[in-house]
Amino acid sequence: GQNIDQPTEMTATEGAIVQINCTYQTSGFNGLFWYQQHAGEAPTFLSYNVLDGLEEKGRFSSFLSRSKGYSYLLLKELQMKDSASYLCAAYTGFQKLVFGTGTRLLVSP
Amino acid sequence: EAQVTQNPRYLITVTGKKLTVTCSQNMNHEYMSWYRQDPGLGLRQIYYSMNVEVTDKGDVPEGYKVSRKEKRNFPLILESPSPNQTSLYFCASSSIRDSQETQYFGPGTRLLVL
Repeated sequence: GQNIDQPTEMTATEGAIVQINCTYQTSGFNGLFWYQQHAGEAPTFLSYNVLDGLEEKGRFSSFLSRSKGYSYLLLKELQMKDSASYLCAAYTGFQKLVFGTGTRLLVSP
Repeated sequence: EAQVTQNPRYLITVTGKKLTVTCSQNMNHEYMSWYRQDPGLGLRQIYYSMNVEVTDKGDVPEGYKVSRKEKRNFPLILESPSPNQTSLYFCASSSIRDSQETQYFGPGTRLLVL
């Protein structure tokens, strides 16, 4: 079967660092996407990891461990505008994405 | 500007009244897909298309139809909508020639079926 797990909700303070975890079990795996989605809006691409390790992109970093079926998204220097849902999605091949239910992040002043 | 567009953005209808949600992309992408998003369930794929005249079922295809007569357009058809199809719908596209194969999403269509 296909299973993607991520926490439902997290809270953090402006300026802090937060790590959003994602574990996956899928039949077939080519890589792991992270998307950001503000309430009522379209998901927007954040990162894509194919190989094990950390990829840094400004304030956002994403990590993948294929052997552990685990990924995380790290957000540094949190800003109020980072309040959104973060979607973890496993790419299983042939354009197929399997999404988790998303983690809603609330950033407070 | 590269984008995926959907129309309408909001729709209220009644049970049984056929409707079509349009999706168009200007990026010459081969792949297009429809998702629905419901609280606590995440994004679930309804139908997808790998190219013109090539479509296939996703995870939740019941009650929906699609067509792909042109590369840029991928309409979603609800022949006889029911209240359980009330949802937020997203169209997405990607290039199968792009090694990263990132999917780009439209702005969403919020549908309420009474």
